[in-house]
Amino acid sequence: EVQLVESGGGLVQPGGSLRLSCAASGFTFTDYWMYWVRQAPGKGLEWVSRIYNNGSPTNYADSMKDRVTISRDNAKNTLYLQMNSLRVEDTAVYYCVRGYCTNGICSVFEYWGQGTLVTVSS
Amino acid sequence: EIVMTQSPASLSVSPGERATLSCRASQSVSSNLAWYQQKPGQAPRLLIYGASTRATGIPARFSGSGSATEFTLTISSLQSEDFAVYYCQQYNNWPPGENTFGQGTKLEIK
Repeated sequence: EVQLVESGGGLVQPGGSLRLSCAASGFTFTDYWMYWVRQAPGKGLEWVSRIYNNGSPTNYADSMKDRVTISRDNAKNTLYLQMNSLRVEDTAVYYCVRGYCTNGICSVFEYWGQGTLVTVSS
Repeated sequence: EIVMTQSPASLSVSPGERATLSCRASQSVSSNLAWYQQKPGQAPRLLIYGASTRATGIPARFSGSGSATEFTLTISSLQSEDFAVYYCQQYNNWPPGENTFGQGTKLEIK
């Protein structure tokens, strides 16, 4: 069974940093592109970042570019999101997502973790 | 950047009836369109990809259609568990810059 378990969320002050982790199991982690998707309270879904199965390249949404870094440790089956210079508007549930490949494109969001809440507030 | 627009924002339908949700892309995304269902307090679930292919385990009452810029998700004979928020997502243009999702349609019980 595919499992994605996020951790590392919590309360942080504006300007602070946080590192999210996602422990993956039940599949061959190195076979899949991985994503972070977020959802602000009461709002819709927003793609944050993508990383290829071997760690490169990486992509970021414009809203978080230059403030976040996605990485993965394939030996530990773990995905990370380092977030810096956090803003109040970054408050959201952050989901770890496994990509599904179809027709040569691997950007269908097939499996989702339960998410970890990041609250940015003073 | 491709903008995804869903309509209506909310829809009230009685159990047993059919629901039709729309998604429009600001430019062609071919058939690279997915639909997701999200219930309160839960993560989204993949329903449809490739505009019309049901994901594993998705009931046949869910169907998707369309191509290029106009897409439809149809739920025939609504069940109580189908009342949720539905999002479309394009994956033709990647990375998408900003958002890849529509803003969602909330399907409510009438």
